[in-house]
Amino acid sequence: ETGVTQTPRHLVMGMTNKKSLKCEQHLGHNAMYWYKQSAKKPLELMFVYNFKEQTENNSVPSRFSPECPNSSHLFLHLHTLQPEDSALYLCASSQEAGNYGYTFGSGTRLTVV
Amino acid sequence: AQSVTQPDIHITVSEGASLELRCNYSYGATPYLFWYVQSPGQGLQLLLKYFSGDTLVQGIKGFEAEFKRSQSSFNLRKPSVHWSDAAEYFCAVGGLIQGAQKLVFGQGTRLTINP
Repeated sequence: ETGVTQTPRHLVMGMTNKKSLKCEQHLGHNAMYWYKQSAKKPLELMFVYNFKEQTENNSVPSRFSPECPNSSHLFLHLHTLQPEDSALYLCASSQEAGNYGYTFGSGTRLTVV
Repeated sequence: AQSVTQPDIHITVSEGASLELRCNYSYGATPYLFWYVQSPGQGLQLLLKYFSGDTLVQGIKGFEAEFKRSQSSFNLRKPSVHWSDAAEYFCAVGGLIQGAQKLVFGQGTRLTINP
């Protein structure tokens, strides 16, 4: 257990479904991140939240919608995904954005069918 | 553009042998450099980091890395690997990238250990 908990660990969803990924940390960190890890590609930064405010959106399609209700929780809402969205989605946190002491969760393995 | 290159996608070494994983970066200023390890089904764990000072940095699990500015490299080494070191290893560079503080990762090197 790293201090960053992601649920669910595995998710299979159809292209018309709506689902959400959850990330939770109780490390007292103020920045949270979503990364996408696809096979044979580098980790892609998707979103950054710093003190609950979104500070980075790396041209992510609107079918991915993040939500950060407080500094401890981060969600990624998914709807009408495509098969190429199948990947491992990693959440990370750090003291604040720009502080590189990232703690990663174990990820959610998403399969879109 | 800032980037990180790990030239070796997959490396196999025998248990007890020495290991060196290569990492080259492209960044305009002095970078912050990191090595992470990812075991199957797990997230990334920080092995070590370089911010400034001594260019040879020690990390957890017996790993070390050396920053060589002239070669834009930050190679990871271990004198004697253990079967439990089998995992994927990621090099990353942190800094001001496209107007924001970011961590950019390489594609990773998968390490297999032969008994």
